[in-house]
Amino acid sequence: GAGVSQSPSNKVTEKGKDVELRCDPISGHTALYWYRQSLGQGLEFLIYFQGNSAPDKSGLPSDRFSAERTGGSVSTLTIQRTQQEDSAVYLCASSLEGDGYTFGSGTRLTVV
Amino acid sequence: ILNVEQSPQSLHVQEGDSTNFTCSFPSSNFYALHWYRWETAKSPEALFVMTLNGDEKKKGRISATLNTKEGYSYLYIKGSQPEDSATYLCALARNSGGSNYKLTFGKGTLLTVNP
Repeated sequence: GAGVSQSPSNKVTEKGKDVELRCDPISGHTALYWYRQSLGQGLEFLIYFQGNSAPDKSGLPSDRFSAERTGGSVSTLTIQRTQQEDSAVYLCASSLEGDGYTFGSGTRLTVV
Repeated sequence: ILNVEQSPQSLHVQEGDSTNFTCSFPSSNFYALHWYRWETAKSPEALFVMTLNGDEKKKGRISATLNTKEGYSYLYIKGSQPEDSATYLCALARNSGGSNYKLTFGKGTLLTVNP
């Protein structure tokens, strides 16, 4: 597609439920990244994909968070047993190796 | 902990004013400095990727400078317009263990331009 697409744009979920966030990167972009911005914080790195593999998962905050990427394209970020501190804007970005990022417009997750 | 600091945190200016804000970062293992503009409910938009000490880049009324030795970058907006209102983010990429893809972001400067 022309840009990075994320869905849903907004998600309200109850504490303890699982959520799945989707990212559709720019076609041909080999690198894909997930970041999140919690209230009052800067954008925080979560995970980096190169193709379908994730050489850097160092930013995932707990084992409740997981992500996968299939076909070198779409990625899903899954949060199990959501907690209130998971509330944030989750941003996906893609790039060609060594280039700047193109971001999606994010998913605003609210855990109530 | 890698600290990328932006100042001021927020800024209100009148239409037509020129303004600037700062990004400071650790100068060791520097690879690149990115600037983004993030309007509410939209995607962060890439403004500049800067790699060379002394670099100066310009895009319309917006320009940026880079000093990698002392670890700072300035973003300038000339003749601010209401549509410039946004959060301006800087982000550092470092050569550290092959992880130059990973950006560490500052918390941003929120600019409001009053008509």
